[in-house]
Amino acid sequence: NAGVMQNPRHLVRRRGQEARLRCSPMKGHSHVYWYRQLPEEGLKFMVYLQKENIIDESGMPKERFSAEFPKEGPSILRIQQVVRGDSAAYFCASSQQQDGVSYEQYFGPGTRLTVT
Amino acid sequence: DAKTTQPTSMDCAEGRAANLPCNHSTISGNEYVYWYRQIHSQGPQYIIHGLKNNETNEMASLIITEDRKSSTLILPHATLRDTAVYYCIRGGSQGNLIFGKGTKLSVKP
Repeated sequence: NAGVMQNPRHLVRRRGQEARLRCSPMKGHSHVYWYRQLPEEGLKFMVYLQKENIIDESGMPKERFSAEFPKEGPSILRIQQVVRGDSAAYFCASSQQQDGVSYEQYFGPGTRLTVT
Repeated sequence: DAKTTQPTSMDCAEGRAANLPCNHSTISGNEYVYWYRQIHSQGPQYIIHGLKNNETNEMASLIITEDRKSSTLILPHATLRDTAVYYCIRGGSQGNLIFGKGTKLSVKP
């Protein structure tokens, strides 16, 4: 059973370009979470999605960032007009359907974004 | 606000048990206690979680006090590969995990 997959693993963008980060959840998981880890800091929650729905985006910056989890295909975290401060490791996690029961999240290897 | 308190760092001798404490004195009745670890800059790895009862799996044991205000993660026979930052997280049945600063565990030969 493959784990959570993220690609690319490393991404370099110049200031002002767009970054697209992809996440394929574990098989059978319908919930996806995105977290960001700035250098030398802890992980910060960004957004929680189910298929075709954003459940909680309280951690997303108000501008330039968006996320989707379409019916088919991976979840996408999109950053428009990147700035140097966006340089970080972005981790995706997935879990089974909730239904009021607590299920653990499994994390991918992350995408390391560098903005030059 | 992670709402949990952990020591900043701990050392453990290889082969010995590592006991990592966590204080979560304001935990509510329906919140679980989760433990994750992050080795170097890899993605966090799920270890174990529990609500009221003690839990054990192939990686570790989780001891939760009767009042649920604190817990201890036990790695029974620590190896060098267990060197990592360990996060104690409280969470409900859905939604995000709030990571604090964790405990940096160094396993020494």
